[in-house]
Amino acid sequence: NAGVTQTPKFQVLKTGQSMTLQCAQDMNHNSMYWYRQDPGMGLRLIYYSASEGTTDKGEVPNGYNVSRLNKREFSLRLESAAPSQTSVYFCASSAADLRISYEQYFGPGTRLTVT
Amino acid sequence: QKEVEQDPGPLSVPEGAIVSLNCTYSNSAFQYFMWYRQYSRKGPELLMYTYSSGNKEDGRFTAQVDKSSKYISLFIRDSQPSDSATYLCAPNSGGYQKVTFGTGTKLQVIP
Repeated sequence: NAGVTQTPKFQVLKTGQSMTLQCAQDMNHNSMYWYRQDPGMGLRLIYYSASEGTTDKGEVPNGYNVSRLNKREFSLRLESAAPSQTSVYFCASSAADLRISYEQYFGPGTRLTVT
Repeated sequence: QKEVEQDPGPLSVPEGAIVSLNCTYSNSAFQYFMWYRQYSRKGPELLMYTYSSGNKEDGRFTAQVDKSSKYISLFIRDSQPSDSATYLCAPNSGGYQKVTFGTGTKLQVIP
């Protein structure tokens, strides 16, 4: 049981390049999330997927797109990377439903630098 | 005003000290209160979880919620060097709605 896995662990991009961050969970969770974490800003939600087939914008969605490929996988795409997207990106999943709040399980993170 | 305010620290204490970590929030709809612990270069992991007001104890850790003043606290007794981490409060209103994380307080426990 690996929990939440993310690839790659590190990435350096040049401005304007594109890339996809991959995330997978093996806990049969319905909900998945993408966050970015910056010094002094804490964790900010980029996009989330409440269930397979649905995605919604979070607090900072501009410059990103997501795909909920199936129940296990949720990818984050940067179409044209900018230096402002230099950050640590975390994927998370939870068994949340409408009645109660469940713990979020986080992946190890992807450290992205855009030059 | 941010929805969740947390002193970023860093907070440096000697081993064995009692540590108090605090958050304030502004959204009255919050009824689930979580504390996550994040070690350096790792993802956050859930440490404590309380519902509504009151106290919850788990070993050396006590979470306290005062909904009337919108104040959340995490107390660590007999702090250990292994407690050195960043602690993030995460109040939320439940379900799959977004969870608002505090910026985190970095704690260092010195042997």
